[in-house]
Amino acid sequence: AQSVTQLDSHVSVSEGTPVLLRCNYSSSYSPSLFWYVQHPNKGLQLLLKYTSAATLVKGINGFEAEFKKSETSFHLTKPSAHMSDAAEYFCVVSALMNRDDKIIFGKGTRLHILP
Amino acid sequence: EAGVTQFPSHSVIEKGQTVTLRCDPISGHDNLYWYRRVMGKEIKFLLHFVKESKQDESGMPNNRFLAERTGGTYSTLKVQPAELEDSGVYFCASSPTEVYEQYFGPGTRLTVT
Repeated sequence: AQSVTQLDSHVSVSEGTPVLLRCNYSSSYSPSLFWYVQHPNKGLQLLLKYTSAATLVKGINGFEAEFKKSETSFHLTKPSAHMSDAAEYFCVVSALMNRDDKIIFGKGTRLHILP
Repeated sequence: EAGVTQFPSHSVIEKGQTVTLRCDPISGHDNLYWYRRVMGKEIKFLLHFVKESKQDESGMPNNRFLAERTGGTYSTLKVQPAELEDSGVYFCASSPTEVYEQYFGPGTRLTVT
């Protein structure tokens, strides 16, 4: 069984300051982990993914995430927020090698960027 | 390359009516998924097609929901009769293989009054 917890439903940061969106997971199998972003009236866009290769994953738009097995975390970071980063972000876990497990979404974190 | 498209973008219907949502996956993607997000809740899996076959429909909430993918191209999700609790955003996604990332459509916002 799998689960994913996004610890914050809303995060507000000032433009130009670092972003940290937290995600913890549990999985019976070696998980694959993803971060998706949804801008208003748009589909979910993949930011980055971890699939058992390098633990530090770089994604689009300057985002990156680090897989920490000991902490069961996959937090999303960005050194400097931009106004265009305002959106909702979803952490997703999947045991893709286990066909009986689905992909599980977190509840989402809405990121607000203050001017 | 065109992305995943969904139609309509919004639908408002009365309780007891029927609504059909459509999803056009990326051309060549055998895998097609439906998800739903009820307000304030997480996005939840509904079902998975591989070509025209239902690989997994364990997430379908009840028998008022019927999904089809005739010919293995586009898919429809019919809700009949609609209930108030069916309101939410219905997402469709496609992928070329099961272990590949999924590409999502913009969603259909369904409101049942």
